[in-house]
Amino acid sequence: GQQLNQSPQSMFIQEGEDVSMNCTSSSIFNTWLWYKQEPGEGPVLLIALYKAGELTSNGRLTAQFGITRKDSFLNISASIPSDVGIYFCAGGRTTSGTYKYIFGTGTRLKVLA
Amino acid sequence: DAGVTQSPTHLIKTRGQHVTLRCSPISGHKSVSWYQQVLGQGPQFIFQYYEKEERGRGNFPDRFSARQFPNYSSELNVNALLLGDSALYLCASSPDRGGSYEQYFGPGTRLTVT
Repeated sequence: GQQLNQSPQSMFIQEGEDVSMNCTSSSIFNTWLWYKQEPGEGPVLLIALYKAGELTSNGRLTAQFGITRKDSFLNISASIPSDVGIYFCAGGRTTSGTYKYIFGTGTRLKVLA
Repeated sequence: DAGVTQSPTHLIKTRGQHVTLRCSPISGHKSVSWYQQVLGQGPQFIFQYYEKEERGRGNFPDRFSARQFPNYSSELNVNALLLGDSALYLCASSPDRGGSYEQYFGPGTRLTVT
C-alpha cells in the first residue's frame, strides 16, 4: 500500500537535544496529523494541522504544514527519555469521494539518558 | 470520557479460519475507520464507515468486510485467513465522516495467523 516518506528512519539522540523529522509526498494533502506509537499500543494523536504554512505547538512539540502542502515537519525540543517511540505522519485528502489518511513509514526515536 | 475501545486485544487463528474484531468509538463520534498495521510499517487504510454506511475502502481483498451498528460501534470481519493477515488491526474514530477531522485510535487487536 501507499506510504509517505518519513526521514530519518531512526535516530539516537542524547537527552536534552532537539529533534527534527519530516514527512514528504508527491501529492497534495489538506490535513496533516502527527502520531506517536509505543510498542503494543495504538498511535496517539500529537498535533493536527489544517492549513498550508500553519505552525502548531503542543508542549515541547511543534509541527508545521508545508507551504507546498506536500510535506510536514515535526520538532521536539529538549528531548526526554519518555519521548522514545515511533512517530508517524498522516496526510489527509479526498480520494474517490472519501476523505482518507495515508500514513508515513515512521521515524523511530531513541533517547539516550 | 472513554477513548476508543477494541476487543479482543490478542487473537490467534489458523489459516482458513475467519475472525471478527470489534470497536467502540469515542462517545459522540459517528465515523469509524479500520487500519491494518504490519510490523515495521505505518497503518494501512481498510475501511471507513459513517452513519452505518461504507464511505471508503482501501486496497484489500473481498475477504475483508465490515459493518457499523446503530450505536456507531463497528465490526471488521476477515474470512479465509492467510498468514499475511497477521498484523495489528487498529480502529479509529472521528467526530465527522473524516473530512479534515482528526482521528483517534484504539489500542488495536493483535492478530496472529498460524
